[in-house]
Amino acid sequence: GQSLEQPSEVTAVEGAIVQINCTYQTSGFYGLSWYQQHDGGAPTFLSYNALDGLEETGRFSSFLSRSDSYGYLLLQELQMKDSASYFCAVRGTNAGKSTFGDGTTLTVKP
Amino acid sequence: EAQVTQNPRYLITVTGKKLTVTCSQNMNHEYMSWYRQDPGLGLRQIYYSMNVEVTDKGDVPEGYKVSRKEKRNFPLILESPSPNQTSLYFCASSPNKINEAFFGQGTRLTVV
Repeated sequence: GQSLEQPSEVTAVEGAIVQINCTYQTSGFYGLSWYQQHDGGAPTFLSYNALDGLEETGRFSSFLSRSDSYGYLLLQELQMKDSASYFCAVRGTNAGKSTFGDGTTLTVKP
Repeated sequence: EAQVTQNPRYLITVTGKKLTVTCSQNMNHEYMSWYRQDPGLGLRQIYYSMNVEVTDKGDVPEGYKVSRKEKRNFPLILESPSPNQTSLYFCASSPNKINEAFFGQGTRLTVV
């Protein structure tokens, strides 16, 4: 099976940098994805790591280390609109099943 | 515009009355799936399909059925809904094995 663990809540101030961690247990997966969701709206794709290392997309970066079973999402220059829930996710190579973490609620304060 | 469309967006129904939530994507994606989201539990996969006529169970398939007769459509069927199926449902699609998924806007289902 697959399981992913994330912190349930993170708080930071506007303009700061925040890191949301994701540790996982899986028998095999294609890569680690990150999604953002505002207040029950549709999750939107942020970033994907197929290989170890850092992927950068504007203010957002994501990192994966398969040897450590660990990844993180880094948000820089935080803005109020970044207040949302963030999910890490994997798709297993065995049967294609997708698993999401329970999500991290980020609150950005002025 | 590339999109995943779910209908209805909101539905209140009674226990035992069969219902179908439709999902359609216009991106020619092979992979489609259904999730339910409950407070504090994140997204849990109900069923997924890797191509036409190929479907498989996710983590919480009990009480649900799906079909994939055409590539673009992936309806979710609740034959006999129960109150514990009250939830927010999302359909998603993606083009290949990479887990970059496009989500529909969600269906908020209440079973009384």
